[in-house]
Amino acid sequence: EPEVTQTPSHQVTQMGQEVILRCVPISNHLYFYWYRQILGQKVEFLVSFYNNEISEKSEIFDDQFSVERPDGSNFTLKIRSTKLEDSAMYFCASSREGPTRKEQFFGPGTRLTVL
Amino acid sequence: GEDVEQSLFLSVREGDSSVINCTYTDSSSTYLYWYKQEPGAGLQLLTYIFSNMDMKQDQRLTVLLNKKDKHLSLRIADTQTGDSAIYFCAESIQIGSSNTGKLIFGQGTTLQVKP
Repeated sequence: EPEVTQTPSHQVTQMGQEVILRCVPISNHLYFYWYRQILGQKVEFLVSFYNNEISEKSEIFDDQFSVERPDGSNFTLKIRSTKLEDSAMYFCASSREGPTRKEQFFGPGTRLTVL
Repeated sequence: GEDVEQSLFLSVREGDSSVINCTYTDSSSTYLYWYKQEPGAGLQLLTYIFSNMDMKQDQRLTVLLNKKDKHLSLRIADTQTGDSAIYFCAESIQIGSSNTGKLIFGQGTTLQVKP
């Protein structure tokens, strides 16, 4: 069964460094999402992406964040200058176009630790 | 504002039924979802219900929706030890004529199944 994959599973970085989290969505999906979950808190929406542009972003998704679909398979989240409070589990999700796009499939997550 | 609330913990005996409850605030929700998260894993879509439905059954899972009270529940029949996990309720929001796909999550209910 096709699934969303994410790399790395765990990323440790120093405060102020840039990180890129990578996701490979399910191959026939066209809508892509990033969410994050700070330890002990709710899963929070960050951004949705369709047709090579952001369709919606949350207040959390400020100028230090960016997303990109650099090729036909990868979807990346870049954090330019990491802060301690960016430490969280980051989940990528994807869904198909059309009546079934309501089903979002999530990857296993990348745990980001900022020291 | 958009908010989804769940109780944090539920403990049942193997073979009993489990009922996990969720309340939401946004009346423009279009779809409501249940996701399961096992330790170290991502969010697995279990089932979802369209907001104009009252009930949906899928094998051992029954979803009940009370739209008037903005209350959603997930019943797991014949609960097994393998059902031990965190269960997240989520809603997707309709804005105008479009469903952005953004999901609002509850904080998750930890289900403990005792043998």
